[in-house]
Amino acid sequence: QVHLVQSGAAVRQPGSSVKVSCKASGGTFTSYGISWVRQAPGQGLEWMGRIIPRLDMATYAQKFLDRVTITVDKSTSTVFMDLRSLRFEDTAVYYCAAVPVAGSRFFDPWGQGTLVTVFS
Amino acid sequence: DIQMTQSPSFLSTSVGDRVTITCRASRSIITSLNWYQQKPGQAPKLLIYTASNLQSGVPSRFSGSGSGTEFTLTISSLQPEDFATYYCQQSYSDPTFGQGTRLDIK
Repeated sequence: QVHLVQSGAAVRQPGSSVKVSCKASGGTFTSYGISWVRQAPGQGLEWMGRIIPRLDMATYAQKFLDRVTITVDKSTSTVFMDLRSLRFEDTAVYYCAAVPVAGSRFFDPWGQGTLVTVFS
Repeated sequence: DIQMTQSPSFLSTSVGDRVTITCRASRSIITSLNWYQQKPGQAPKLLIYTASNLQSGVPSRFSGSGSGTEFTLTISSLQPEDFATYYCQQSYSDPTFGQGTRLDIK
């Protein structure tokens, strides 16, 4: 099964951007899509978007359409999530999660999470 | 977007209790419903997929049922390690989650 390891915590100022990475190992990278889900402190889970590495095709939640870009480097099995124009309310733990390309679409496994703090 | 509503939001329970959590979708999602468990400081963990399928390695005290707009997660006999927050998630269209149900020790 694929294993996902994310980049470390980041602190950014409002208006700046952050790029979080998610490196896959084990399993077959092209058998999965990779989604990004965030969780603000004490809050629930919010899906941001996904990429299918095999097709290099990304789709985004309407809420994030103009501020997020998800890309993939297939040579290193790494997916990146770039969030721009950061606001205080973007402070959250950002998770990547694998979704099978074929069959049922559930999130499994998940990365360990990356805390992004927007602070001035 | 399909809205997912869980009930209750909070449940005070005891070891050995039978627990049922309900998740309702704003429109039919057939059986495209998954359940996750999250403990503090950890990523969510998949428990049940496609409404009633137990993920490999998940104890059999967890079960899921439902179709259409109403779904349930049942824990037959609560164990100490089950005190956590549980989320439902629909995969019928762009994913959305319920707001979560937190199980606390009575």
